[in-house]
Parts: sequence; structure tokens; C-alpha cells
Amino acid sequence: DAKTTQPPSMDCAEGRAANLPCNHSTISGNEYVYWYRQIHSQGPQYIIHGLKNNETNEMASLIITEDRKSSTLILPHATLRDTAVYYCIVPIYNQGGKLIFGQGTELSVKP
Amino acid sequence: ETGVTQTPRHLVMGMTNKKSLKCEQHLGHNAMYWYKQSAKKPLELMFVYSLEERVENNSVPSRFSPECPNSSHLFLHLHTLQPEDSALYLCASGDRSYNSPLHFGNGTRLTVT
Repeated sequence: DAKTTQPPSMDCAEGRAANLPCNHSTISGNEYVYWYRQIHSQGPQYIIHGLKNNETNEMASLIITEDRKSSTLILPHATLRDTAVYYCIVPIYNQGGKLIFGQGTELSVKP
Repeated sequence: ETGVTQTPRHLVMGMTNKKSLKCEQHLGHNAMYWYKQSAKKPLELMFVYSLEERVENNSVPSRFSPECPNSSHLFLHLHTLQPEDSALYLCASGDRSYNSPLHFGNGTRLTVT
């Protein structure tokens, strides 16, 4: 099972890009990387996922290194509402795509 | 709106009470999950249902009893809980295909007195 490692906390100025790193050095070739975020007292919200190509949607961009051992979630213009805990997860597919959450990165966007 | 609705949003119960948490999804998903989130801790997976069959029970005490009567509904029946069971209980649904994200409800905040 691929384990992920994230910094416990980060700060970002409002309006600037927030770059959240994640290490997943044991990921295997067919495992996806998923990103979720959890705003205080709400359920986790799906953001984006990818396999090996960079991905972009209306919320964020996901950059995956060529060796797939790490990735970066980019929020291009962070707002105060992006303050949340961000989780990088590699689902356990041999157990039905089970998500095991770690501590995540607590992102604080400051004015 | 996430497509997954949990009720009630808040629940206070005594240790001798029996209560149930409800989760409902109309996203056409075939798997449903219960997670527990205690203060300052990561989410812990409790139960997994796939096609209405329980496929995982992560050593959860028997005072928590899940029920999945159909693919759209999931319940967590609670009885004789302890104060340390106070937590945010989150329901999620998904499609057990290869790369389908889970959708979470906003949880039930449970306080056991």
C-alpha cells in the first residue's frame, strides 16, 4: 500500500499560488493519486486526481513528477475560503479503492 | 451540496440511549462508507458496504451497528456508547470502479454524555 507524506502545515498569502507537496515514493504503476480537502467541521471534498499526466480542473492543478514519487497540488490564486486541511491519498485498490487518510497539510491563507 | 446527505447534523445522547445516524445518496453509487473523525485525529474508516454487502469492519466495537438496506441508504445504529465515542461521523459513497472519487456528507457531530 502506497503511503503518502505531507508537511503538517503551510501558510499562503491571499491571491498568491498555494503549492502543496506530497511524497508517495512507494506508489506502483497503476495507482492514482487523489487530493481532498476538509474545511472545518465539513466532510472532505474531492479536488482532483491523476495517474501520471498533469491534470487541471476548475479547482486546482496537479503536477506529478515523471518518476511518480511525488506530486504537487497547486491552487493558482488562493482565497481565504481555501483555508483547510488538504489530504493526498493513494487509494488501496485491492480493497475496493479504500481511502486511508493521514494527517494532511493544514493550509492557512492569510490576508 | 455534495450529493450525500447525513442526518441529524448534531446529536447529543446519553450512554444508555439508542439512536441511529442516517446517510442517503442519490448519485447512483454502489459503495458506501462510514468514517469516524475524533478531535485532532485523522479520519478512521469504520465500515465499507459494496452492493449492500458489508465488506469491511475495521475492528469497530459492537456498540456500533451498521445497516445498508439498499444502495442509496446507510445507517449507523448506536447503543450504550461511551464518552470517547464523541466524534464527527462521516458517510461517503462511491463507485467501486478503478478510479472513482468518494463523495462525503457533512457528517453528524455526536456528543455522548
